[in-house]
Amino acid sequence: DVVMTQSPFSLPVTLGQPASISCRSSQSLVYSDGNTFLHWFQQRPGQSPRRLIYQVSNRDSGVPDRFSGSGSGTDFTLKISRVEAEDVGVYYCVQATHWPLTFGGGTKVEIK
Amino acid sequence: EVQLLESGGGLVQPGGCLRLSCAASGLTFSSHGMIWARQAPGKGLQWVSIITGNGDTTWYADSVKGRFTISRDNSKNTLYLQMNSLRVEDTATYYCLNDPNWADHWWGQGTLVTVSS
Repeated sequence: DVVMTQSPFSLPVTLGQPASISCRSSQSLVYSDGNTFLHWFQQRPGQSPRRLIYQVSNRDSGVPDRFSGSGSGTDFTLKISRVEAEDVGVYYCVQATHWPLTFGGGTKVEIK
Repeated sequence: EVQLLESGGGLVQPGGCLRLSCAASGLTFSSHGMIWARQAPGKGLQWVSIITGNGDTTWYADSVKGRFTISRDNSKNTLYLQMNSLRVEDTATYYCLNDPNWADHWWGQGTLVTVSS
């Protein structure tokens, strides 16, 4: 299975400041059709996870534009331009290029 | 509106069994590969089992292989997870979700399975 490694494990952020989460895969996530099936999920406390970003950089419906995704191959990044209180939670990268899909270990975003 | 509604969780003794269900509505269920994922208390997410839209192909995490069986009934828009020989380490909230490679993606609210004597 593809191993997804996220960093940092914990990310204390001041409100209004930017935040960045890194995700690395053990092999390239470029599929044979050229697409890259790397997604980002958010899990707020006490809630089910929800997808924020699909295929590296596409925001899901209703996701604020302060969230952005980038990267290619094996290195990917989720950025929050200005952290708000509602962004507290755990963020996971997920690869679904190589089945079975695999999750990163998660990054806990909290307010300083 | 799409809904995925899990049920069937509860308290069971080690070695026991449970059958989880995930009732889907608002989507063309048979078109979607479906996934069971779980989250142990205070831990991260782990995929458990995956099934293709027509049910022909399945995958299992090594930790559940031989004990859990995923299935689906597309006529009832329902996904199942038969869990046998349950262990304490299977204690988790179990979620159903559709293949995240689709443009539209959903998770259920989860059902808690507690394995304890």
